[in-house]
Amino acid sequence: NAGVTQTPKFQVLKTGQSMTLQCAQDMNHNSMYWYRQDPGMGLRLIYYSASEGTTDKGEVPNGYNVSRLNKREFSLRLESAAPSQTSVYFCASSARGSPGANVLTFGAGSRLTVL
Amino acid sequence: SQQGEEDPQALSIQEGENATMNCSYKTSINNLQWYRQNSGRGLVHLILIRSNEREKHSGRLRVTLDTSKKSSSLLITASRAADTASYFCAGGLFSGGYNKLIFGAGTRLAVHP
Repeated sequence: NAGVTQTPKFQVLKTGQSMTLQCAQDMNHNSMYWYRQDPGMGLRLIYYSASEGTTDKGEVPNGYNVSRLNKREFSLRLESAAPSQTSVYFCASSARGSPGANVLTFGAGSRLTVL
Repeated sequence: SQQGEEDPQALSIQEGENATMNCSYKTSINNLQWYRQNSGRGLVHLILIRSNEREKHSGRLRVTLDTSKKSSSLLITASRAADTASYFCAGGLFSGGYNKLIFGAGTRLAVHP
């Protein structure tokens, strides 16, 4: 099993450009999440989807939108990228519930640089 | 900030030695999880300890939780070069209307052959 697959692995954007990070999981998990990881800080939750058809804001949702396309796929969109969004983005999934209640499986990450 | 804090930030040891990493957190939690991240990779779950547990073992890993001190420790015994990675604690709690997993900034462990 591939687990959680993210694309692209690397992306460079100019300020104001838009892009979508794609995430897919093949573990039949109900819940999916998007985190960002910045140097010297822990992971911070951007958005999560507890189940297909629902999405909710996490700790740092400003500047992002998400779509839970189906049970397998959860995308993160930056409508107008800003240098403060330079980060490594991780998609994760879990069998049920929301992050504090169970164990997460992470993708390999997407490194985004906004110039 | 509700983030956990890990100590030390970096740890360098020789193969065969034990590695101990500590985690402190600020609010009450339902569980405490430890994850490992190899360079350039995603996080991998290692172990979960619930708030009513004091100690848990998994292979060469031993985790303790002291809810009165709001702290946890991860002990890796007989370390190997393959244990070189960053280790993150994450506290599970209900806050802001949903169950959260709050990550610490991590400890970078280097195990030298």
